[in-house]
Amino acid sequence: GAGVSQSPRYKVAKRGQDVALRCDPISGHVSLFWYQQALGQGPEFLTYFQNEAQLDKSGLPSDRFFAERPEGSVSTLKIQRTQQEDSAVYLCASSLSGQSYNEQFFGPGTRLTVL
Amino acid sequence: SQKIEQNSEALNIQEGKTATLTCNYTNYSPAYLQWYRQDPGRGPVFLLLIRENEKEKRKERLKVTFDTTLKQSLFHITASQPADSATYLCALDMADTGFQKLVFGTGTRLLVSP
Repeated sequence: GAGVSQSPRYKVAKRGQDVALRCDPISGHVSLFWYQQALGQGPEFLTYFQNEAQLDKSGLPSDRFFAERPEGSVSTLKIQRTQQEDSAVYLCASSLSGQSYNEQFFGPGTRLTVL
Repeated sequence: SQKIEQNSEALNIQEGKTATLTCNYTNYSPAYLQWYRQDPGRGPVFLLLIRENEKEKRKERLKVTFDTTLKQSLFHITASQPADSATYLCALDMADTGFQKLVFGTGTRLLVSP
């Protein structure tokens, strides 16, 4: 596809359920980022992949959050035992090389609501 | 820790006027600063990047300035149009890890009235 895609677009989970959010980056983009965006706030960095290597996961809020990119393309963000505070929009972005001067291309996000 | 401030109140202007949005930061000297546009229900879209050694950058009706002494960036939209209504986010690149790591401000919502 021409851009970054994410699925599902909307996810409602009951507290305690596990969820998996998928990101398809732009083909050929080496770098992939996950962000969490709360209502009325800017995106907050969660984790970064360069190809299949997770180079930074300092933004993951707890050990309930896990991300992977096993073949260096599609990535999945998994949240175990969801809590109400996990409700947010989860954005995925990719960039050509991850260098500072590269723009990031964002997907539309997955809106997660935990009841 | 890095703090990035953008006007939390919406900016309301009339069509044709120049919109000026402010981004202030503390505790860091970023090598790069980026501006993004975000529409409701969508991901941010890249607009402009400015380097620390650049004072000003222009792209069509957009202009960004970067004052590393004041620790401030200004984002201007000239001849504004209702279609410019959106939230505008500034983002600093921490760039101390060897790869890009953006820290975003909270964004300023711009409303352009016809």
